[in-house]
Amino acid sequence: NAGVTQTPKFQVLKTGQSMTLQCAQDMNHNSMYWYRQDPGMGLRLIYYSASEGTTDKGEVPNGYNVSRLNKREFSLRLESAAPSQTSVYFCASSQGEADTQYFGPGTRLTVL
Amino acid sequence: DQQVKQNSPSLSVQEGRISILNCDYTNSMFDYFLWYKKYPAEGPTFLISISSIKDKNEDGRFTVFLNKSAKHLSLHIVPSQPGDSAVYFCAALTSGTYKYIFGTGTRLKVLA
Repeated sequence: NAGVTQTPKFQVLKTGQSMTLQCAQDMNHNSMYWYRQDPGMGLRLIYYSASEGTTDKGEVPNGYNVSRLNKREFSLRLESAAPSQTSVYFCASSQGEADTQYFGPGTRLTVL
Repeated sequence: DQQVKQNSPSLSVQEGRISILNCDYTNSMFDYFLWYKKYPAEGPTFLISISSIKDKNEDGRFTVFLNKSAKHLSLHIVPSQPGDSAVYFCAALTSGTYKYIFGTGTRLKVLA
């Protein structure tokens, strides 16, 4: 079992470029999440998907869109990247809401 | 306004002694609390959780204490080991929301 995988591991974008961060889990979990972590701050929830077919905004959703492609995959899209979106992005999955979240290794994104 | 606060950015402890990491919260609607450990360049990993109906939960060397009246939780690690050196995040959840709120983390260094 790979657990939660994220691609790419690193990415550098120019302001205004778009990109999609990919996340997949092989634990048959219902719920998936996208977080960002900035220096000196904790993880902040961007979007979550409680179950296949549903997505909802988290704490900091502006500038992002998500797609729950199927039960395994949950992608995060930046339509027009801004320097403020420079961060480390983590995807996570869990069986249900109050169940253990399993995190991927992260994507380090720099927007110039 | 930070709803979950970890006021100590760092903590150093001698191997074999007790490590105590603290977390304060402001939102009385939180009813589920978790601790995660994070090594550099990896995603967070779940350590231990506690529901608001309890005031203590133990798992091996790790114990979490919850004081609802003070809106305070703490993680005790006994005995501390060099492999425990990592950043520790507390997180809080209001059931039914899926919106985990994380603290800013405490970097624990266990000295051999």
